[in-house]
Amino acid sequence: EAGVVQSPRYKIIEKKQPVAFWCNPISGHNTLYWYRQNLGQGPELLIRYENEEAVDDSQLPKDRFSAERLKGVDSTLKIQPAELGDSAVYLCASSFGGTSGSDTQYFGPGTRLTVL
Amino acid sequence: GQSLEQPSEVTAVEGAIVQINCTYQTSGFYGLSWYQQHDGGAPTFLSYNALDGLEETGRFSSFLSRSDSYGYLLLQELQMKDSASYFCAVLTARGQNFVFGPGTRLSVLP
Repeated sequence: EAGVVQSPRYKIIEKKQPVAFWCNPISGHNTLYWYRQNLGQGPELLIRYENEEAVDDSQLPKDRFSAERLKGVDSTLKIQPAELGDSAVYLCASSFGGTSGSDTQYFGPGTRLTVL
Repeated sequence: GQSLEQPSEVTAVEGAIVQINCTYQTSGFYGLSWYQQHDGGAPTFLSYNALDGLEETGRFSSFLSRSDSYGYLLLQELQMKDSASYFCAVLTARGQNFVFGPGTRLSVLP
């Protein structure tokens, strides 16, 4: 079974440029998460989808970040324009969903973004 | 607010036992998870505790005390491949999101 797929793995851009990250979750997983992880810190949730609905985007900086999950499968996270402080690893995770606390999240390898 | 504390670094030798602690102050508590992350890799799930007590899975065990807002991950018979960062994560309510701790970097020496 394929895991969570993310692309690109690495991205270097100049500040004020746009950037987009793509995520393909594990087949059959209804819940999809985008996290940001700064160096030496734990992942911080940006947005959570249940199927195609964003059920929690309270931590998403909506002035420059946007996300979509068309058809409830693949998802794209966009930053426009990027700022120096956006340099981080952007992780996508998926799970079967539901309200069980033991719903295990499976993480993708992440996209390491460097903003110059 | 949500606050989780872990030691930033732990060092041990091969074959030893190490305990990584996690204390939390959160708006609610439903369960505690542990994840392992190797450098440049993805976090991978290790364990989940919803009830007080010890859960054992092979060389790894996880403990939870809800009354003390405390948990720990116990790694036995350490191997070099266990060198990684370990994160505790609190599920604040059923159907909600996990809040991750800052992580503990474990170094296993030969």
